[in-house]
Amino acid sequence: KAGVTQTPRYLIKTRGQQVTLSCSPISGHRSVSWYQQTPGQGLQFLFEYFSETQRNKGNFPGRFSGRQFSNSRSEMNVSTLELGDSALYLCASSLGAGLGDNEQFFGPGTRLTVL
Amino acid sequence: AQSVSQHNHHVILSEAASLELGCNYSYGGTVNLFWYVQYPGQHLQLLLKYFSGDPLVKGIKGFEAEFIKSKFSFNLRKPSVQWSDTAEYFCAVKGMSNDYKLSFGAGTTVTVRA
Repeated sequence: KAGVTQTPRYLIKTRGQQVTLSCSPISGHRSVSWYQQTPGQGLQFLFEYFSETQRNKGNFPGRFSGRQFSNSRSEMNVSTLELGDSALYLCASSLGAGLGDNEQFFGPGTRLTVL
Repeated sequence: AQSVSQHNHHVILSEAASLELGCNYSYGGTVNLFWYVQYPGQHLQLLLKYFSGDPLVKGIKGFEAEFIKSKFSFNLRKPSVQWSDTAEYFCAVKGMSNDYKLSFGAGTTVTVRA
């Protein structure tokens, strides 16, 4: 079974631009979560989608948004990029059907650099 | 809100030494607990998990962890480390409420010297 895939793997943008990251979950997984990983803040939860609905959201500004499609693939968008948005963005998928189905499998991440 | 605390930022060991990484969490209810590992240049992988039952759980690569509910702890152990265990280790907690957020600790970098 293929793992979680994320595209692109690396991205360089400038301040003020916007960016869209993509995540394809493991086949059969309906939940997709996004995390931001930085050396200073560690892994911070962004949001989680299940069946095209956002189920939970972390403490990030509205510039960070996401969506999920009917095939469970998810995208994350960051608008008006700031230098501090430079990070590794991780996507994780899980079955998600119930509170017990929450073992998450992580993708390799997208490394975003904002200049 | 739940939070996770990992006691050590960086641990340096020699091969064959024993490893113990501390993890404490704050959450009043039932929890699911996880340890993830991130090897250099690789993505996060699940080492082990605790959902219920025996509080001593065994994971991959000889790792085990013990859930002590009274201490809100889930410490990771390995009796004898290898150079290949050099990695960053993350403890994660999910409170069993209507909240699908997985909260991570800050991570512990483990360096094993040959």
